[in-house]
Amino acid sequence: KAGVTQTPRYLIKTRGQQVTLSCSPISGHRSVSWYQQTPGQGLQFLFEYFSETQRNKGNFPGRFSGRQFSNSRSEMNVSTLELGDSALYLCASTMGQALQTQYFGPGTRLLVL
Amino acid sequence: AQKVTQAQTEISVVEKEDVTLDCVYETRDTTYYLFWYKQPPSGELVFLIRRNSFDEQNEISGRYSWNFQKSTSSFNFTITASQVVDSAVYFCALQTGANNLFFGTGTRLTVIP
Repeated sequence: KAGVTQTPRYLIKTRGQQVTLSCSPISGHRSVSWYQQTPGQGLQFLFEYFSETQRNKGNFPGRFSGRQFSNSRSEMNVSTLELGDSALYLCASTMGQALQTQYFGPGTRLLVL
Repeated sequence: AQKVTQAQTEISVVEKEDVTLDCVYETRDTTYYLFWYKQPPSGELVFLIRRNSFDEQNEISGRYSWNFQKSTSSFNFTITASQVVDSAVYFCALQTGANNLFFGTGTRLTVIP
């Protein structure tokens, strides 16, 4: 079974731009979660989507948003990029019920100049 | 509030030595899961093990073993006869009530040949 895939793998943007990242979960998985990893803040939860609805949300500003499609693929968008948004963005999927093991994708490395 | 502490920032060992990675957690929930993930230089988080709060039985899987003690809120991970391929950052994580994970700051393990 294929794992979680994320595109693109690397991205360079400039301040003020917006960016969209994509995540395809493991086949049959209906929940997708997003995490941000930075050297200063570590791994932090952004949000979780299940059945096209945001089910859980971390403590990030409204510039960070996401959505999920009917095939469970998810996108996250960051508007008005700031230098501090430079990070590794990781996506994880589960079957959907609570308290399940999350399987992670390879991540998207975003650099904001 | 949930919190995971990995006091060891970096550990270096010589190949074939045993190494233990420490993890201490805080939660008021009675039902929770604890995880260990490995992050090699490629960036992907690789799932290693999951333990629920009602199962204190320790586990051995090949060269890996885990010691879960609720009395001390610890979930330690030991690699026996370490190998160069074990070099990575190891994260301990806590999951309560939903699917999002609270991560520790990670321990960077370097195995010297």
